[in-house]
Amino acid sequence: GAVVSQHPSRVICKSGTSVKIECRSLDFQATTMFWYRQFPKQSLMLMATSNEGSKATYEQGVEKDKFLINHASLTLSTLTVTSAHPEDSSFYICSAPGDGSSSGANVLTFGAGSRLTVL
Amino acid sequence: AQSVTQLGSHVSVSEGALVLLRCNYSSSVPPYLFWYVQYPNQGLQLLLKYTSAATLVKGINGFEAEFKKSETSFHLTKPSAHMSDAAEYFCAASSAGGYQKVTFGIGTKLQVIP
Repeated sequence: GAVVSQHPSRVICKSGTSVKIECRSLDFQATTMFWYRQFPKQSLMLMATSNEGSKATYEQGVEKDKFLINHASLTLSTLTVTSAHPEDSSFYICSAPGDGSSSGANVLTFGAGSRLTVL
Repeated sequence: AQSVTQLGSHVSVSEGALVLLRCNYSSSVPPYLFWYVQYPNQGLQLLLKYTSAATLVKGINGFEAEFKKSETSFHLTKPSAHMSDAAEYFCAASSAGGYQKVTFGIGTKLQVIP
């Protein structure tokens, strides 16, 4: 089946620094990827849709300048949290459409997530 | 706008007992429906999906769910709970024919008591 690799799984940084999270589709191409944020004991909140070759589409209320998204290739999307602050601490998860099967186009394959802690 | 409601943020069952996790959706058009499982500090794994074919959908790990249009429900069941089933379960819905906008329920944490 399809695999989405997300790196790093954990990152701790100082307030004011920037952190980059990578999301790779390992054995399939993903022209679209989704970035979610999950607060403790809450559901996933869609932050933005990453599109290869064009600008990302951000959900209402998500700061574009704070959360920079780049879809550099058909297999790589990155999320950069700029000038991170403690309130940005969260679990960030990426996903890509598809599960590796011919009928899996409407299924999301998720990365393992990245836990960001900003001190 | 589509919404997904999961009744019960926490469910506890004894090992070997029936698991029932409830999910209701709100949509004028029957959507695609999914159940995902999340283990601590991990991403989500697809358990099963409904895409307008059979209303009773069988998934991995012995789970199944039944789509009931009249009740706008898609409850997840498993006849006999195992300790390894302890996790967070998310019901999700997307517009039929597309995946761009997936709406997740708030999640149900399943506890399995030995």
